[in-house]
Amino acid sequence: EPEVTQTPSHQVTQMGQEVILRCVPISNHLYFYWYRQILGQKVEFLVSFYNNEISEKSEIFDDQFSVERPDGSNFTLKIRSTKLEDSAMYFCASRRHGTEAFFGQGTRLTVV
Amino acid sequence: AQSVSQHNHHVILSEAASLELGCNYSYGGTVNLFWYVQYPGQHLQLLLKYFSGDPLVKGIKGFEAEFIKSKFSFNLRKPSVQWSDTAEYFCAGPSTPGTYKYIFGTGTRLKVLA
Repeated sequence: EPEVTQTPSHQVTQMGQEVILRCVPISNHLYFYWYRQILGQKVEFLVSFYNNEISEKSEIFDDQFSVERPDGSNFTLKIRSTKLEDSAMYFCASRRHGTEAFFGQGTRLTVV
Repeated sequence: AQSVSQHNHHVILSEAASLELGCNYSYGGTVNLFWYVQYPGQHLQLLLKYFSGDPLVKGIKGFEAEFIKSKFSFNLRKPSVQWSDTAEYFCAGPSTPGTYKYIFGTGTRLKVLA
């Protein structure tokens, strides 16, 4: 069964460093998402991406965040200068038109 | 703005008890609603979904949910829970009909006692 894969599973980084979280969506999917879940809190929408551009983003997704689909298969989330409060589980998701979203296993980001 | 709300934050049940977790949404019209489950240490998985048609939808692992338009509800049910159902359950839906953006309820943490 096809699945969304995310790497790495756990990333530890120092405050102020840049991180790139990687996702490989399911191959025939067209809509891509990043969500995050701070420990003990709800799953929060960050950004959606369709047709090679951001279709919607939340207030969390400020100038420190960017997304890219560099090669038609990967979908990345970059955080330019990490802060302690960026520590969370980051989920990538993808879907076809009119279907549910499929989520990856998540990347646990720890900023120290 | 659309919201998806879950009433129960923590639920503790004994095995074989029946389960009902509440989910309400705030907009009318065509709705797509989902229940996801997150087992300890694992990723979000789809339990079931409603797009249209029969308001009673059946999902995996014996779960079902009923879309009641008049009550703006989409409650999750299971007649007899098992210890392995211990997990966090999230209701989700588009923030407005047709949008790309899903929003999630705050989640319900279910603990099933053996």
